[in-house]
Amino acid sequence: AQTVTQSQPEMSVQEAETVTLSCTYDTSESNYYLFWYKQPPSRQMILVIRQEAYKQQNATENRFSVNFQKAAKSFSLKISDSQLGDTAMYFCAFYSGTYKYIFGTGTRLKVLA
Amino acid sequence: GAVVSQHPSRVICKSGTSVKIECRSLDFQATTMFWYRQFPKKSLMLMATSNEGSKATYEQGVEKDKFLINHASLTLSTLTVTSAHPEDSSFYICSARDPQGWQETQYFGPGTRLLVL
Repeated sequence: AQTVTQSQPEMSVQEAETVTLSCTYDTSESNYYLFWYKQPPSRQMILVIRQEAYKQQNATENRFSVNFQKAAKSFSLKISDSQLGDTAMYFCAFYSGTYKYIFGTGTRLKVLA
Repeated sequence: GAVVSQHPSRVICKSGTSVKIECRSLDFQATTMFWYRQFPKKSLMLMATSNEGSKATYEQGVEKDKFLINHASLTLSTLTVTSAHPEDSSFYICSARDPQGWQETQYFGPGTRLLVL
């Protein structure tokens, strides 16, 4: 069975600094997708970034980028130039073609002014 | 694009009453929608998968007679919590996949906070 692990329950970072959130997963599938979702205090889940496993190139979206290590089954999220609005819960998710996502337990990120 | 709405955003009801929550895909047609439940400071727990025109698929441990799901159109799925009790108080979130876009990506509604007194 697939599992997703986020080992950092809480993290903090100074405004304008860079922070990396870790995510590891376990699967026997060869083709799958990985996601980072952000859940701010409003509790609206927002897609931050997605990665297709067959693509070796790491996905980037403005200040957000991932370090995808397929062999190590690692999918970390790097947030550059952190902003106060980045304060949120961040969930890593895995999808392999079945109908459902597997979510990690989340990392609560606080950006400090 | 890929916007999902939910209504109501919050609802308070008395124990024993039923509550309906609507989930709409605003700019795409969603053949599949999902219903999640989230406890405070916890991850999302999938309750059921809603397929347009057919019966929902419930996850193990979710009472299908208590959480009625209907997906009557390509843009609307509803979750009805029947005979609600205080333990049903929670944050309920729906999501949908856009079959014309990234089919593996789920887009989430803003959630509904249910409080049962």
